[in-house]
Amino acid sequence: KAGVTQTPRYLIKTRGQQVTLSCSPISGHRSVSWYQQTPGQGLQFLFEYFSETQRNKGNFPGRFSGRQFSNSRSEMNVSTLELGDSALYLCASSFASGVSYGYTFGSGTRLTVV
Amino acid sequence: AQKITQTQPGMFVQEKEAVTLDCTYDTSDPSYGLFWYKQPSSGEMIFLIYQGSYDQQNATEGRYSLNFQKARKSANLVISASQLGDSAMYFCAMRGGTSYDKVIFGPGTSLSVIP
Repeated sequence: KAGVTQTPRYLIKTRGQQVTLSCSPISGHRSVSWYQQTPGQGLQFLFEYFSETQRNKGNFPGRFSGRQFSNSRSEMNVSTLELGDSALYLCASSFASGVSYGYTFGSGTRLTVV
Repeated sequence: AQKITQTQPGMFVQEKEAVTLDCTYDTSDPSYGLFWYKQPSSGEMIFLIYQGSYDQQNATEGRYSLNFQKARKSANLVISASQLGDSAMYFCAMRGGTSYDKVIFGPGTSLSVIP
């Protein structure tokens, strides 16, 4: 079956612009989580969506937002980009929440802000 | 608060040798799941192995096994017969017992396999 699909794979944006990243989870997975990965901070949790509702949010400024559609696809938006937003953004889907449900990750979107 | 610690930033292993990557965790939940992921230079996170807190036996998946010591809150990954393709970052992760708990990750260990 198809894995988690993230688009685009690479993105270069200018400081002050906004960007939208897309994630299509594995068919049947209703939970989508987003992580930011940087060399200095590691993997930092952004938010989790389940059945179109945000059920968990990390410690990121309001410039970072997301949503989930009825088909479980999710988008993440970053407004007013800063140089420090340059990172690998990973999307992960899960069938459900619960201790035995791990993530299946996409290949990530590598965002460079110049 | 839940936390994952991986004390080995980088490790080297000879091809065909076994290697152990350390992971300790901190949680007050009696029910939790532990995961290991591999991240090659391409960036994609690949699931390797899972251990539940109530599992009596250590998990194994092919060349991967998890040395689970619950009392010590330790979940070390053992890779047997290392291959060049095992060179990657390895992340230990945990999911807690409450329904909405996110998966938290350790800082990772960079493994290099030497021919």
